[in-house]
Amino acid sequence: DQQVKQNSPSLSVQEGRISILNCDYTNSMFDYFLWYKKYPAEGPTFLISISSIKDKNEDGRFTVFLNKSAKHLSLHIVPSQPGDSAVYFCAASYNTDKLIFGTGTRLQVFP
Amino acid sequence: DTGVSQDPRHKITKRGQNVTFRCDPISEHNRLYWYRQTLGQGPEFLTYFQNEAQLEKSRLLSDRFSAERPKGSFSTLEIQRTEQGDSAMYLCASSFDRPDEQFFGPGTRLTVL
Repeated sequence: DQQVKQNSPSLSVQEGRISILNCDYTNSMFDYFLWYKKYPAEGPTFLISISSIKDKNEDGRFTVFLNKSAKHLSLHIVPSQPGDSAVYFCAASYNTDKLIFGTGTRLQVFP
Repeated sequence: DTGVSQDPRHKITKRGQNVTFRCDPISEHNRLYWYRQTLGQGPEFLTYFQNEAQLEKSRLLSDRFSAERPKGSFSTLEIQRTEQGDSAMYLCASSFDRPDEQFFGPGTRLTVL
C-alpha cells in the first residue's frame, strides 16, 4: 500500500522557468512532510519541509505548498537551474521517526 | 568530511553468504536510521536507534536482518544467508532530536548473485 505517491516519474523544464513537482498521500494522520533531492551515487539530501499546521513554506527558490483537504503537496522551484536536475522524493511522517517516501520524480532542467 | 559515512560503498556477494555494513553518523547526532532502496522506489524504513536503543523495526526487517548500535555511536547492519531479493541500496541516516530532518549517507549498494 503506497501511502505517499508521486505519479510523475519524470519532468523536463527549461532553465529559468518554474518546476512544479507533485505528491499525494493517503494517510490523514501524517503531520510532517519533507522533500529530498538525490543525485546519482549520493544519498538523499534534505531540501525543505512543512508541518501540517501550515499551508506554505518558502526557502529561497524553493516553496512547498500543502493542501490537506486534497491530501496533496507540491514543490515549486523558481527559477529552475541546471544544477537542480536530480531525483526528488516526497516524504511524510506522523508522530514517529519513520519517514515514508514516494517513488520519486526525476527532474531535468535543460538550457 | 563531517557527514554520514557508510562502508563499504559496494558489496557483491553470493547467495547464502552473510554481509555486514557499517554506518558512522554525524558525531553529535543521537538518532540513527536504516533504509533500503530498490530500483524505481523511494527509500523504505527498516529500523532506527535513539542512542544505543533500537526503538522501531519494520516488518521488512526479517529474522535474517539484525542491526546494532553499541555505545550509541556507529551502527552495523548484518544480513545473514543473503537472498537475491536483498539486492538493494542500503541507506543510513542520522539526526539530532529532529526525526523530520534526517541526513543521509551515500549508501551501500548490495548485489547478491
